[in-house]
Amino acid sequence: EAGVVQSPRYKIIEKKQPVAFWCNPISGHNTLYWYRQNLGQGPELLIRYENEEAVDDSQLPKDRFSAERLKGVDSTLKIQPAELGDSAVYLCASSLEASFHEQFFGPGTRLTVL
Amino acid sequence: QKEVEQNSGPLSVPEGAIASLNCTYSDRGSQSFFWYRQYSGKSPELIMSIYSNGDKEDGRFTAQLNKASQYVSLLIRDSQPSDSATYLCAVSSGTYKYIFGTGTRLKVLA
Repeated sequence: EAGVVQSPRYKIIEKKQPVAFWCNPISGHNTLYWYRQNLGQGPELLIRYENEEAVDDSQLPKDRFSAERLKGVDSTLKIQPAELGDSAVYLCASSLEASFHEQFFGPGTRLTVL
Repeated sequence: QKEVEQNSGPLSVPEGAIASLNCTYSDRGSQSFFWYRQYSGKSPELIMSIYSNGDKEDGRFTAQLNKASQYVSLLIRDSQPSDSATYLCAVSSGTYKYIFGTGTRLKVLA
């Protein structure tokens, strides 16, 4: 069974540029999460989807971040415009159902903003 | 006060010893507890989950939960150099939201 797929794996951009990350969860997993992990810190939840509905986006900086999961499968996280402080690893995770708590993480996208 | 606290380490143990990793949490309503292992430059990998007080064993790993003390720990028996990684504690309060600690870096010395 394939795991969570993310692309790109690495991205280097200049500040004020836009950037997008893509995630394809494990087949059959209805719940999808986007996390941000700064160096030396644990992952911090940005947004959680149940199918195509964003049910927890309280930690998403909505002035510059947006996300979508149009068909309830793959998802895109966008930053526009990027700031220096956005440099981090962006992780996508999925679980079968939200109540099935075990989450499985993708390899992440390492973003560097210059 | 941080919601989930871990000692950042590094915790150094000799090969073959027992490594003990600790985590405390602030939300008494927390119901689910997880340990993830994260190698440098890699994503977190789930190694243990525990939901009720007591011990849960899986191979060389034992998770211990004490809800009264708001404490969860992970024991790694017969530690190997390949166990060297950062171990993340995650806690869920039933809102399906994980709160992660900052992780403890474990170094197993050959």
